[in-house]
This record gives sequence, C-alpha cells and structure tokens, in this order.
Amino acid sequence: EAQLVESGGGLIQPGGSLRLSCAASGFPVSSNYMSWVRQAPGKGLEWISVIYSDGPRYYADSVQGRFTVSRDNSKNTVYLEMNSLRAEDTAVYYCARDRSRVRYDAFDIWGQGTTVTVSS
Amino acid sequence: QLVLTQSPSASASLGASVRLTCTLSREHSNYPIAWHQQHPNKGPRYLMKLNSDGSHSMGDETPDRFSGSSSGAERYLTISSLQSEDEADYYCQSWGSGFHWVFGGGTKLTVL
Repeated sequence: EAQLVESGGGLIQPGGSLRLSCAASGFPVSSNYMSWVRQAPGKGLEWISVIYSDGPRYYADSVQGRFTVSRDNSKNTVYLEMNSLRAEDTAVYYCARDRSRVRYDAFDIWGQGTTVTVSS
Repeated sequence: QLVLTQSPSASASLGASVRLTCTLSREHSNYPIAWHQQHPNKGPRYLMKLNSDGSHSMGDETPDRFSGSSSGAERYLTISSLQSEDEADYYCQSWGSGFHWVFGGGTKLTVL
C-alpha cells in the first residue's frame, strides 16, 4: 500500500529555516511527480512545489526563492527546505503524489501533514 | 488563469443524497478535475478523477455511494445514502502545465 509520512514541522521564529521530510513507502518517489501542498489555519489547500520524476522543480510565486524541494532516492524521501520563513507560511504542510508518472494529473496519495508555525 | 469555484457550504439529511459543484473558469471548461475529501485535522483523501465527458477514475477506497458527472464547465460530486462520516470538507483540483495544480476553495458538507 502506498503511503506518505511527513515530519519536521514545528515552531520557528520569523526569518528562520526548517526542513520538512516526506517518507514514502509502497512506491519509489523517483517514479512520480511529488508535490508539497499547504493549508493555512481555517483555509483551503494551496499547491506550493513539485519535483518531477525526471528532476525539474517548480514553485508557487508565494514561496519562489525561499523554498527548495529535493529528493533522496536511496531514502525514498522528498524534502522541503524552507528559508526566510514568514508568519504567512504558518500552515499544515502535506506532501502528495501525482497519480501519473509522466504528466500532470490528480493527486492520489496524501500524507497526514506536519504543522509549521512561524511566530516570535 | 485557471479558477475553480465551489460553494462554501452544503447540507443534507442522513440517508439523503447531495450534489456538490465545482465550476471551472470558462476558458478551461474542458479540463478534468479531481475530488478530494478532508475530515477535520486529517490529510485529504483522493475520491476520484472526473473528465469533461463524465468518465471517471475512482480511488481504491472510494465507496460506491460517491459518483461524479460533468456538464459544460461544471463538475459534480454526488453522494447518495449520506452517512455521518461523509461530513467533511470537499475540494476540487485541476491542473495544467501552465499553472501546475489549482484547488477550489472547498465545500463544507454538514450531514443533518
């Protein structure tokens, strides 16, 4: 059974950095597009980053230049490095798998989320 | 710009049926979408992918009570024989190489 488990969230001061992890089981993270999606308190879902199966990475404007997505195939884990954190980055962060291996499609596997709180 | 519009809330009685709507921006009226369910303090769960012609791919654990249909720019999620555990937020999602992935604002479903 395919599964995603996020970790690494916590309380961080504005301007600080944090690295989130998304450990996959049941499938290789290198085989699908893998995304990060966040949800601010009481708000909806916001896509923020993707790493393609063949390597390219893309970001939403709201995090471009501050966040970096990466992947460690040997650990079957996707990461989100977050720098210059702001109060508006406070959210639950989910990783999600695109159901297709080669193109944009629906997210068919989601993690349970990890909470990031940016506050002094 | 791809925009997905959902009503903020819906309600229906236990055992009844309810239809939720996701409306695509006009120029994207033929795009596929996906429906996701989210219970409080839980991660979203994929329900189905729904194409413009009404064909769909259900998630492995999606109950048969959930079905999808399409009409023009509107995509529907119908839940029949409502159960208490169907009370949740429902999000639609679409995608494209120009804008990656986009979500609707979500509909909070209350089961009376």
